[in-house]
Amino acid sequence: GENVEQHPSTLSVQEGDSAVIKCTYSDSASNYFPWYKQELGKRPQLIIDIRSNVGEKKDQRIAVTLNKTAKHFSLHITETQPEDSAVYFCAAGVSSGGSYIPTFGRGTSLIVHP
Amino acid sequence: EPEVTQTPSHQVTQMGQEVILRCVPISNHLYFYWYRQILGQKVEFLVSFYNNEISEKSEIFDDQFSVERPDGSNFTLKIRSTKLEDSAMYFCASRGGYSGNTIYFGEGSWLTVV
Repeated sequence: GENVEQHPSTLSVQEGDSAVIKCTYSDSASNYFPWYKQELGKRPQLIIDIRSNVGEKKDQRIAVTLNKTAKHFSLHITETQPEDSAVYFCAAGVSSGGSYIPTFGRGTSLIVHP
Repeated sequence: EPEVTQTPSHQVTQMGQEVILRCVPISNHLYFYWYRQILGQKVEFLVSFYNNEISEKSEIFDDQFSVERPDGSNFTLKIRSTKLEDSAMYFCASRGGYSGNTIYFGEGSWLTVV
């Protein structure tokens, strides 16, 4: 099955700095890669996703890049703000027909200091 | 925006007792999931459900676990005889279907087995 590794486990930055979280996956058939943000005590929520036919996707201050050859993808947050502080999870999986079961990484706790 | 709802938000139970966690997925969604998150660890897949039957399950989902969709709206997870190591946050999630891979999570049910 799929195995997703995520680094770092904790990331501490100053407000305004950029933050980068990296994930690798093992199954070359994986074709859909979402990122979830989980604030303390709340549900994980999708913030951005990327499909395997795209190398990069951007949405305001967040972007995701995908390198299929190396089997890794990264989340980039620019101009970080205190409200970006949360745990971020990457996920990977095969979307085929109706079936899709993502495997999640261990999560990165992002702390943005004002 | 429609949301996945879960009850109870928190349950404390004695080891060996049966527990039922309840979920109401988003109404027009076709795929339903249960995930588990032990404190500080990653989100782990338990089971997926489609067309009134289990479509996939992980090795965590042993004979002590069962799922049911007793009517058109509820989706339940039953743990027959709880163990200490079952203590975790249990997330229900749902997904629309062929046109969407986004998985929407509920707020979670925090289970404490004592």
